[in-house]
Amino acid sequence: EVQLLESGGGLVQPGGSLRLSCVASGITLTTYAMSWVRQAPGKGLEWVSSISGSGGSTYYADSVKGRFTISRDNSKNTLYVQMNSLRVEDAAVYYCALLGGWLPGDYWGQGTLVTVSS
Amino acid sequence: DIQMTQSPSSLSASVGDTVTITCRTSQGIRNDLGWYQQKPGKAPKRLIYAASSLQSGVPSRFSGSGSGTEFTLTISSLQPEDFATYFCLHHNYYPQTFGQGTKVEIK
Repeated sequence: EVQLLESGGGLVQPGGSLRLSCVASGITLTTYAMSWVRQAPGKGLEWVSSISGSGGSTYYADSVKGRFTISRDNSKNTLYVQMNSLRVEDAAVYYCALLGGWLPGDYWGQGTLVTVSS
Repeated sequence: DIQMTQSPSSLSASVGDTVTITCRTSQGIRNDLGWYQQKPGKAPKRLIYAASSLQSGVPSRFSGSGSGTEFTLTISSLQPEDFATYFCLHHNYYPQTFGQGTKVEIK
């Protein structure tokens, strides 16, 4: 069974930083692009960032470009996102996801809550 | 960037009804679209991929159609467990974009 487990969420002041992690089990992530998706309270889903299987290509939503950095350590089967210069509007549940696209598999973590408040 | 327009934003329906949700894209995306179901407090679950392929384990009352710029999710014979919020997601290229969501409520 594939499981994605996020950690690292919490309360941070505006302007602060957080690093989220996502550990995968039941699947070897090496060949898969991975993504972060967020959902603000009571709002819809927002794609945040993706990284290719090798880590050589990264993609960001305009809303986080220049502030967030996605990375992965395939030896640890782990995905990360470093979030700097956090804003109130970054507050959300952050999901780690293997968005399947054309592939039959599509997997999500349970989410980790990031609160940005003074 | 591709803009997604999902409609309606909400609908009320009864058990046994057939409901249809639509996503339109600002550019043609072939069939690079999936449909997700989300229940409160839970992660989204994919129902349909490649516009019309049923995800393994998903009941056959869910179906998807469309290509290019217009896509449809149909739920036939709505069941109590289908009351949830539904989202479309295109993966034609980055940035990927979700539709705004459709909340299906009990009439």
